[in-house]
Amino acid sequence: NAGVTQTPKFQVLKTGQSMTLQCAQDMNHNSMYWYRQDPGMGLRLIYYSASEGTTDKGEVPNGYNVSRLNKREFSLRLESAAPSQTSVYFCASSGQGSSNQPQHFGDGTRLSIL
Amino acid sequence: SQELEQSPQSLIVQEGKNLTINCTSSKTLYGLYWYKQKYGEGLIFLMMLQKGGEEKSHEKITAKLDEKKQQSSLHITASQPSHAGIYLCGAATNNAGNMLTFGGGTRLMVKP
Repeated sequence: NAGVTQTPKFQVLKTGQSMTLQCAQDMNHNSMYWYRQDPGMGLRLIYYSASEGTTDKGEVPNGYNVSRLNKREFSLRLESAAPSQTSVYFCASSGQGSSNQPQHFGDGTRLSIL
Repeated sequence: SQELEQSPQSLIVQEGKNLTINCTSSKTLYGLYWYKQKYGEGLIFLMMLQKGGEEKSHEKITAKLDEKKQQSSLHITASQPSHAGIYLCGAATNNAGNMLTFGGGTRLMVKP
């Protein structure tokens, strides 16, 4: 059971470079999310997609773009990486129903920007 | 925006001891989620609480929701080294529960 799969697991970039973080889920979930986790700051929501075809900004969207490619895949793009974007990035997904559904997380992408 | 404060920030206990982690919200709780994160890994869903007074247990971990106090507690009985990690609480910021705000986490170490 794969759940939520993130690639790559580690990446080092130079300032100004661009890259895309990939996320895929196999649980037929409608909603998907991107978070960043920094020491002392906890998890902060970057963008989310409540359903296929929609995306919305979270708490810290500046410097990022997202694409909900299909129901399974939700990618996060850094157009011009900055050292302040050094972080651990987590993708999550959740189902949709009459009651709240827990979010299920991937193992994270550890990104360092020099 | 909703803020979640966890206490303590870190905790070291002797194996076999009980412990409690608290999560307090600045606003009304629509739903409260507890996760565990092992160092360098992703978050593992533990439990979800939705109603005031609700209490759930899984193995030696019990979580309670006090709606009036806007607070949840996570209690571990007879701690084991396998309980070590970071415990995070997340609160739903809307009725749909599809947007979460997280606390800063509690780092737990269990000494054998």
